[in-house]
Amino acid sequence: AQSVTQLGSHVSVSEGALVLLRCNYSSSVPPYLFWYVQYPNQGLQLLLKYTTGATLVKGINGFEAEFKKSETSFHLTKPSAHMSDAAEYFCAVSDQGGNQFYFGTGTSLTVIP
Amino acid sequence: NAGVMQNPRHLVRRRGQEARLRCSPMKGHSHVYWYRQLPEEGLKFMVYLQKENIIDESGMPKERFSAEFPKEGPSILRIQQVVRGDSAAYFCASSQGQGASQPQHFGDGTRLSIL
Repeated sequence: AQSVTQLGSHVSVSEGALVLLRCNYSSSVPPYLFWYVQYPNQGLQLLLKYTTGATLVKGINGFEAEFKKSETSFHLTKPSAHMSDAAEYFCAVSDQGGNQFYFGTGTSLTVIP
Repeated sequence: NAGVMQNPRHLVRRRGQEARLRCSPMKGHSHVYWYRQLPEEGLKFMVYLQKENIIDESGMPKERFSAEFPKEGPSILRIQQVVRGDSAAYFCASSQGQGASQPQHFGDGTRLSIL
């Protein structure tokens, strides 16, 4: 089974600063990788995904993530934080050929005005 | 709203009662997944269903929990004889096809509280 590690359960950044949310996975075979955002009392919304091809993936709301096989990482970044980015962010992976998504424990992003 | 619809949004039950959670997938989606989210934790996979079939229930507790996805109507997650530890947010997701590359689209969840 896969495991997903999100370093830092809480991250605070100033408005306009760089956002970096970390995600590492455990697998010798590159999985499919996803980032989701969850606003209070809502479900998860897909930000971006990596399946094959270009390792730098652009998503919605100005977010992007880069798949680095050598580091087994899929960190999420955004050049300039906005107040509306405050939410919980989940990294998820799925095995090629599998059915399950494995989620990290989430990172709560706070944006300071 | 063509998204994944879950109801009720909030459900309160007393210990020993039954809880029924409903999920209507997105239009055109025939694959449904149920997850449980405990406070301060990520989502934990419970079960994966296609129409009338349970494909993977490896995350379901062996007792008191069951799921179905009938030919007609929503998917149902049923919890019998609920206990305090069942209090959680339960999310349903759907996808268009089978395969790990298919993104899953989530509903807003059902928040179950056990008194």
